[in-house]
Formats: sequence, C-alpha cells, structure tokens
Amino acid sequence: AQTVTQSQPEMSVQEAETVTLSCTYDTSESNYYLFWYKQPPSRQMILVIRQEAYKQQNATENRFSVNFQKAAKSFSLKISDSQLGDTAMYFCALVSQGGSEKLVFGKGTKLTVNP
Amino acid sequence: DAGITQSPRHKVTETGTPVTLRCHQTENHRYMYWYRQDPGHGLRLIHYSYGVKDTDKGEVSDGYSVSRSKTEDFLLTLESATSSQTSVYFCAISDYPGTGIYEQYFGPGTRLTVT
Repeated sequence: AQTVTQSQPEMSVQEAETVTLSCTYDTSESNYYLFWYKQPPSRQMILVIRQEAYKQQNATENRFSVNFQKAAKSFSLKISDSQLGDTAMYFCALVSQGGSEKLVFGKGTKLTVNP
Repeated sequence: DAGITQSPRHKVTETGTPVTLRCHQTENHRYMYWYRQDPGHGLRLIHYSYGVKDTDKGEVSDGYSVSRSKTEDFLLTLESATSSQTSVYFCAISDYPGTGIYEQYFGPGTRLTVT
C-alpha cells in the first residue's frame, strides 16, 4: 500500500520569508510521481509542482522548489519570498506509474502567510 | 484551465434519499476520478474510471456507485444518502500516458450536506 504523511497540520510564516512544508511517503514501486497541490479558500485544487522519481534534479517552479530525497522517501516543499496569496492548504500526493494511476494524498498542511 | 465542470455545486439533501453528482469534461481524457474531502483526511478516492463503462473502486467506495456511459461524463450516485456522506466531492481527470506527463486536473468541487 502507498502512504503519504504530512506531519505539520498547520504552519505560519511572515510575508517575504521562506517556509518549508514536509512530506514523507512510502511505496514499493520504482517509478512514481510526487506532487504538491495548493487549495486556497476558493477550494480549487491547483498543481504547484511535480517531481518524477527517476529524475535526480529537484523540481522548481518560480518561488516553489522541492527537496526530493529518494532514499529517505522525503519530498519537502520550499516556498521562497512568501506572499499573502500563498495562504492555503497544501497537499502532498503520490502516484505510481503502470497501475491505475490513482493519486494518494496526505492530510494536508494549512499554511498562513502573515502580513 | 482544464474543462471540467461539476453539477450541482451545492446540494442539501435528507438522509435516505438518492443523490447523483455529475462530472463533465471537454478534454477527452481517458481517466476520471471521484474524491471526497473531509477535514483531517485530505482527499480520498471513491471510484475511478479508465474508459467508457470501465470503472473500479477506490479507498472509500462503500455506499457509492458510479457510471460512465460517455467519455465526457462520470456520474457518482449515493443510493441512500447518510450523514457520514456529508463532504466536498471533487472530480478529476487525467490522460496519462497519452500526454506522457502525469497530472490530474480537478473540477471545482460539490459541497453536499446530508441532514
């Protein structure tokens, strides 16, 4: 069975500062993808960043970057220069290739960016 | 944004009544999914479809059924709604491996309240 664990139910950060959200996962598959989704108060699920397990280079998208530690099964999200619009729930998710393409989500981290 | 709509967006119903939620896509994607989101649980997969008339169960399928008679529509039915099915329901679609890049696109969600 695949599992995703987010150990920080809530976090807060000051505007313009950097924050890191933690995620650990477990899978027996060798080929998989990891994701961070953002869910603002509008409830829309928005893909923030994607990481293919076979790629050693950490993914980056503007102010968002990940620290992918495959051996440790760790996938943290770093948000630089935090903005008020980053206030949202953040979900870590995992899907293994070659199966039914089912995403497994963590329980989420509620991030608040303070002015 | 991916062309995914959900209807209704909000619904209040009474215990014991049947309820059907509709997901409609204009992307011609192969895979469609139904999730429920509850506080403290993240998103959990209810059922998914990998083609017309091809469906399978997810993690929390008890009390739910689905149907997919056309590529663009995926229906979720609560045969006899219970208060434990009060939740926010999300539809998602994906086209992997057709696009070569794995990603699920989410609809706007349906808030269902069972009284």
